[in-house]
Amino acid sequence: AQSVTQLDSHVSVSEGTPVLLRCNYSSSYSPSLFWYVQHPNKGLQLLLKYTSAATLVKGINGFEAEFKKSETSFHLTKPSAHMSDAAEYFCVVSAWTNAGKSTFGDGTTLTVKP
Amino acid sequence: GAVVSQHPSRVICKSGTSVKIECRSLDFQATTMFWYRQFPKQSLMLMATSNEGSKATYEQGVEKDKFLINHASLTLSTLTVTSAHPEDSSFYICSALPGNLAGGTDTQYFGPGTRLTVL
Repeated sequence: AQSVTQLDSHVSVSEGTPVLLRCNYSSSYSPSLFWYVQHPNKGLQLLLKYTSAATLVKGINGFEAEFKKSETSFHLTKPSAHMSDAAEYFCVVSAWTNAGKSTFGDGTTLTVKP
Repeated sequence: GAVVSQHPSRVICKSGTSVKIECRSLDFQATTMFWYRQFPKQSLMLMATSNEGSKATYEQGVEKDKFLINHASLTLSTLTVTSAHPEDSSFYICSALPGNLAGGTDTQYFGPGTRLTVL
């Protein structure tokens, strides 16, 4: 079994300030972890993924995430928010040993204030 | 690379009609594709797993006779909503897994979604 908890349903930051979106997971498998971003009425875009290599993962658009096995966390960060970062963010856990099925968190809405 | 398309992007239909949605992997082969449904302000709900050359596997509570899935080739899966009703109105998103799952990637690439409105 696997599950994902995104600890904040909404996060609001000012432009130019750091972003932190929190995600905890559980999995019976050796999981892969992902962050996806979704803009309104659009599909999901892959930001970054962790697949048992380096625990600090760098993604697109300046985002990065750190896998902490002891804390079962995979938090997403960005040093400086941009207005275009305003969107819905999903933390996802998956395992090819689980027929490739993914389990999604409930999502975090990021608002960026000017 | 790893681009997935969906067609149509938006469809409006009358109650009782059937609607077909196509999901294509444009630059890779995918033995496995997934179909999701997303309600406003909510996360994605997995409806079914589509496997090339075999029957789809549906999640609990999803009516297989209402949501027909066909995975006819390594680059195409279709979802047909049969006898659509207003409660079927939703945003439908597909995803594709590159390659063969046996020892392969578990990174899903998502299509842009299809907005279905049933009047």
